[in-house]
Parts: sequence; C-alpha cells; structure tokens
Amino acid sequence: AQRVTQPEKLLSVFKGAPVELKCNYSYSGSPELFWYVQYSRQRLQLLLRHISRESIKGFTADLNKGETSFHLKKPFAQEEDSAMYYCALGTDKLIFGTGTRLQVFP
Amino acid sequence: DTAVSQTPKYLVTQMGNDKSIKCEQNLGHDTMYWYKQDSKKFLKIMFSYNNKELIINETVPNRFSPKSPDKAHLNLHINSLELGDSAVYFCASSPRGAGYGYTFGSGTRLTVV
Repeated sequence: AQRVTQPEKLLSVFKGAPVELKCNYSYSGSPELFWYVQYSRQRLQLLLRHISRESIKGFTADLNKGETSFHLKKPFAQEEDSAMYYCALGTDKLIFGTGTRLQVFP
Repeated sequence: DTAVSQTPKYLVTQMGNDKSIKCEQNLGHDTMYWYKQDSKKFLKIMFSYNNKELIINETVPNRFSPKSPDKAHLNLHINSLELGDSAVYFCASSPRGAGYGYTFGSGTRLTVV
C-alpha cells in the first residue's frame, strides 16, 4: 500500500534549537518525495523535492531508502518556521501524510 | 499574476444548497486536482484531470462533480450540501503528474450551516 506516515502531530521547540520532522513512506517503486509547508491559513507551498537535493530556508531532507524515511531537518529553528509541514509521496497523485505542526517559541 | 487561483475564497451556505468552486491556472500545466483538507488538517485527493480528461476519482460522493471546460480550468460543483462537507478545498496543478510537485491555489473555505 502507498502510505506516508508523519508520527508527530505537534513539535514544539525554542528558537535556535535543531528541528527534525519525521516522515516514513511505504511504496514499492522508486519514490518521488516532497515536503510542503502551510503557513497559517495560506496555501500549501513546495518546500523541498528529494530529487533536487536543495536547501530551502535552511531546511534539508535526505531520502533513506533503507529506512524508507525522508525526514526534514533544520539546525537552528526560527520563529517564522512555525507552520504545518506535510510530507508527500508522488505516484499518479500526491499522497500526503497527516502533517506535523511545528511551533517555534521565542 | 497568480499561478493557481480559486474563487470564492470563503463560502458559507445552508444545508441542501448547491454550490460551485472555480479554479484556473495560468502555468500551462496539463494536470489539475482537487484536494479536501478537513478540520484535522488531513489532505485527501478527490479528483484529477489531465487535459480535460478525468483520470482520478477517489471515493467521493457523487454529489461532487468536477468539470474541466479546458485544461486551464477545473471547477467543482457540489449538490445537496451536507454539514460534513465543511472543509477547505484546494485546487492544484502540475506539469506532468505528481512527480513534478504541485502548485496549489489559496483554498476555498466552505462552511455548511
């Protein structure tokens, strides 16, 4: 079955702390994986694609096929990072995880 | 020059009414989608159209009917609205399927009272 799991509904950290948002996937083929971010009451925005191996707003994510994971990391969280983060698997459609709300306190 | 635009942004209506949400993209993408985001923020695909042709129709009540007059537009019509239809509906588009990522509209917040 094609599935994306984000085990944490809420992650709270203080400004300057490292952040890791977990994502695991289930897919028999070669996965296309993404991270999307949704700031309060706004549209979803593409944050990262695994194939582009880029860093956006200080966030990075590495695909680990052995662990079927695509965790999102940032070494030093900022207050403006507070948002909802979705991991997504691309097949014939985008399958989203349930999302993790990141709260960064001052 | 918004890439994916949806109207209206907010929609409040009574149970039993029929309403439509419109979506337009100016990116030249071939594929368009409707997603529903419920009160728990879960995102679930409803429909996908490729070049005006329906290619994905998830388990959605047939009160929901998408219509794509051309590849730049995908509208969603909902008949006999129910309380459980209250959600945020997002339109999205992509150049060639999900592997390229989606561009999302700003959403339509539907409230059924």
